[in-house]
Amino acid sequence: QKEVEQNSGPLSVPEGAIASLNCTYSDRGSQSFFWYRQYSGKSPELIMFIYSNGDKEDGRFTAQLNKASQYVSLLIRDSQPSDSATYLCAVDSSYKLIFGSGTRLLVRP
Amino acid sequence: EAGVAQSPRYKIIEKRQSVAFWCNPISGHATLYWYQQILGQGPKLLIQFQNNGVVDDSQLPKDRFSAERLKGVDSTLKIQPAKLEDSAVYLCASSLVRRGKVGELFFGEGSRLTVL
Repeated sequence: QKEVEQNSGPLSVPEGAIASLNCTYSDRGSQSFFWYRQYSGKSPELIMFIYSNGDKEDGRFTAQLNKASQYVSLLIRDSQPSDSATYLCAVDSSYKLIFGSGTRLLVRP
Repeated sequence: EAGVAQSPRYKIIEKRQSVAFWCNPISGHATLYWYQQILGQGPKLLIQFQNNGVVDDSQLPKDRFSAERLKGVDSTLKIQPAKLEDSAVYLCASSLVRRGKVGELFFGEGSRLTVL
């Protein structure tokens, strides 16, 4: 079973700061990478996806992919208390989407 | 566009009883997934269908879990007999395959199972 690793946290940042979430994966053949946000008691919802090396920006969110080092990260700029949630990294492995255990983010007002 | 529908939302059973969960994916989504999410963990893939064929069921405990997707649309996941460790949220998701790559998964609200 290919693996996706995340630090469980919690990662605590003050409001307005940049939150940096990291994820490593073991399958060198992976081509699709996703970040999902999950509020307590709710289902995961997609934040961003990235297919190519480099950065992809969408509003306050930036996904970064480095296939050579097998890591993907998510930056959240100007963090808000409403960003407090668990962030799940998901990576495809032979067309199956494998999730990490998630990093809990706390944004302090 | 209607989302992924799941039922029931909550189910409480005693160990050794059986339970079934239903999922109706987004119209046109050929790929359907069942994930198990235990509290404090990430979703774990149980089974993946492409249309009505099984793509992967390597982590499905086949001695007690079964799933089917008749006619390539809705799907049922069954547990019989249930064990205490089956207490979890069962998430159904569907997706398109985009240019040979795994596309965005859309999740239903989940079915929360408590086994006593």
